[in-house]
Amino acid sequence: NAGVMQNPRHLVRRRGQEARLRCSPMKGHSHVYWYRQLPEEGLKFMVYLQKENIIDESGMPKERFSAEFPKEGPSILRIQQVVRGDSAAYFCASSPLGPNEKLFFGSGTQLSVL
Amino acid sequence: SQQGEEDPQALSIQEGENATMNCSYKTSINNLQWYRQNSGRGLVHLILIRSNEREKHSGRLRVTLDTSKKSSSLLITASRAADTASYFCATDAGNSGNTPLVFGKGTRLSVIA
Repeated sequence: NAGVMQNPRHLVRRRGQEARLRCSPMKGHSHVYWYRQLPEEGLKFMVYLQKENIIDESGMPKERFSAEFPKEGPSILRIQQVVRGDSAAYFCASSPLGPNEKLFFGSGTQLSVL
Repeated sequence: SQQGEEDPQALSIQEGENATMNCSYKTSINNLQWYRQNSGRGLVHLILIRSNEREKHSGRLRVTLDTSKKSSSLLITASRAADTASYFCATDAGNSGNTPLVFGKGTRLSVIA
């Protein structure tokens, strides 16, 4: 059983480019969460999706950031016109039930903006 | 927003000693979870304790929950060098169940062989 798969593992972008981060949840999991982590910090919630629906996006900046979880394929976190402050580790997690239960995390994508 | 806060921020102990980490939170919860993160890796779930439970064990881990004080502790007994990692508590918002987990900043544990 494959765990939560995130790719790419590392992503380098120049200011103004777009970053696309992918997350394939564990088999049978329909709930996906995206978190951001800065060095020496905890995880900050960004968005919670459940198959084709955004349940909670309260932690995601209104501009430049978007997320989707289509019926087929991985969840995508998209950051347009990246700035240096977007540099961070982005983690995806999934769960078979809602967010109050055990989450399974991917290994993260380290985004570096030059 | 509600957030768990771990204490201490960093802890260094000798192998074989016990490590205790604490977590405080602000509002009522349905459950509280502890996760571990090795450097550069994703988080791994350790244990979940529900609001009606006071203590839970899993191997060398012991978690307590005091809802009256809004606090939890994670005890790792007989620590090993491999326990070196960051440990995070995570809480929900204690309502409908659709609110995502909120994580604290973590305790960085170093176990010296």
